[in-house]
Amino acid sequence: GAGVSQSPRYKVAKRGQDVALRCDPISGHVSLFWYQQALGQGPEFLTYFQNEAQLDKSGLPSDRFFAERPEGSVSTLKIQRTQQEDSAVYLCASRQYGTGGNTIYFGEGSWLTVV
Amino acid sequence: AQSVTQLGSHVSVSEGALVLLRCNYSSSVPPYLFWYVQYPNQGLQLLLKYTSAATLVKGINGFEAEFKKSETSFHLTKPSAHMSDAAEYFCAVSDDNQGGKLIFGQGTELSVKP
Repeated sequence: GAGVSQSPRYKVAKRGQDVALRCDPISGHVSLFWYQQALGQGPEFLTYFQNEAQLDKSGLPSDRFFAERPEGSVSTLKIQRTQQEDSAVYLCASRQYGTGGNTIYFGEGSWLTVV
Repeated sequence: AQSVTQLGSHVSVSEGALVLLRCNYSSSVPPYLFWYVQYPNQGLQLLLKYTSAATLVKGINGFEAEFKKSETSFHLTKPSAHMSDAAEYFCAVSDDNQGGKLIFGQGTELSVKP
């Protein structure tokens, strides 16, 4: 596709509910990232895939957070038993190659509100 | 570990005035440095990036930034602010040793007064 596509754009979840956020990266991009952006803060790294391999998940805040990219393209970020502190914008990004100097392109984010 | 510090969470300038947004980084290896802009309810858009070529980097919308190793800085400037520049600006650092993931600063909100 032309850009990184995320869905849903907006999600309201009741506390304790499970949510799944989808990311469709730019076609052919090897690297995929998930970030969490709390209100008024900079994005914080959650996890990184190179193709289908999850190479870094050091930023996932708890074992309630799980990400996958089974075929090396679309990715899903799943949050189990949501808590109010999970309310944030979840940004997905992709990069053509695996090196840091290449541009990372961001989607418009999935806005999660836990009530 | 890498980190980025953006000095000033909020900067206000008059239309036509110089824009200066400050960013200092910490990195144990030669870094890649980026500036992104975020408009309300939108994702991040790349303004410019430094990848060890020229130290003065020109980006979109008239912005530029200069990499100064001695000062560990990568400040963003624009000679003349426009109303449409009002947005949140993020400085970020990355390196290949960590998969090239971006580490962001806290952001600087730029307001432009008419």
